[in-house]
Amino acid sequence: KNQVEQSPQSLIILEGKNCTLQCNYTVSPFSNLRWYKQDTGRGPVSLTIMTFSENTKSNGRYTATLDADTKQSSLHITASQLSDSASYICVVSARGSQGNLIFGKGTKLSVKP
Amino acid sequence: ETGVTQTPRHLVMGMTNKKSLKCEQHLGHNAMYWYKQSAKKPLELMFVYNFKEQTENNSVPSRFSPECPNSSHLFLHLHTLQPEDSALYLCASSQLLGLAGVGYEQYFGPGTRLTVT
Repeated sequence: KNQVEQSPQSLIILEGKNCTLQCNYTVSPFSNLRWYKQDTGRGPVSLTIMTFSENTKSNGRYTATLDADTKQSSLHITASQLSDSASYICVVSARGSQGNLIFGKGTKLSVKP
Repeated sequence: ETGVTQTPRHLVMGMTNKKSLKCEQHLGHNAMYWYKQSAKKPLELMFVYNFKEQTENNSVPSRFSPECPNSSHLFLHLHTLQPEDSALYLCASSQLLGLAGVGYEQYFGPGTRLTVT
């Protein structure tokens, strides 16, 4: 069964600190993996998208990594800001899935001053 | 903003009411989606429309009825809902729907927070 598991479920860090969120998946055949940020009361917004051949991709203070062999991805946030408080959702797409994305439950990040 | 708008943003309805959710995209996309987001659960795909044609109905109860009059508008008609249908309903759009790939990024609207009493 295609699944996406994220950890931790929630995380509290102090402003300025770094953190890493984890994503494990069992989706096959793999097409791409995305990280979305969802602010409270808003829809998800894409941060990065990675295909099989990409190991790392950055978007400002966000850096995503992908290990297609172990089927793991991480999202590293550097020098966190209060505005980083949100849910971060890992989403995996299977090849030929006609747009069907498999979503993780998300990690709820709270950045405190 | 992502170019996808949804109305209303909040809706409270009784189990015997009939209401509709509206989604509009200003991105020139051809595929539109309805998702349900319940607390502590992953987003669940409900319906997919590609060029106004429904290509996926993910075993959604008939009390949810989608309508896609054109590529820019998507509706979700609601009737005789249950309290467990209370959730955030998200609309998304993307470019031409084809084989899954990097090309079709999905852009989400802000959602409608639905409460069924």
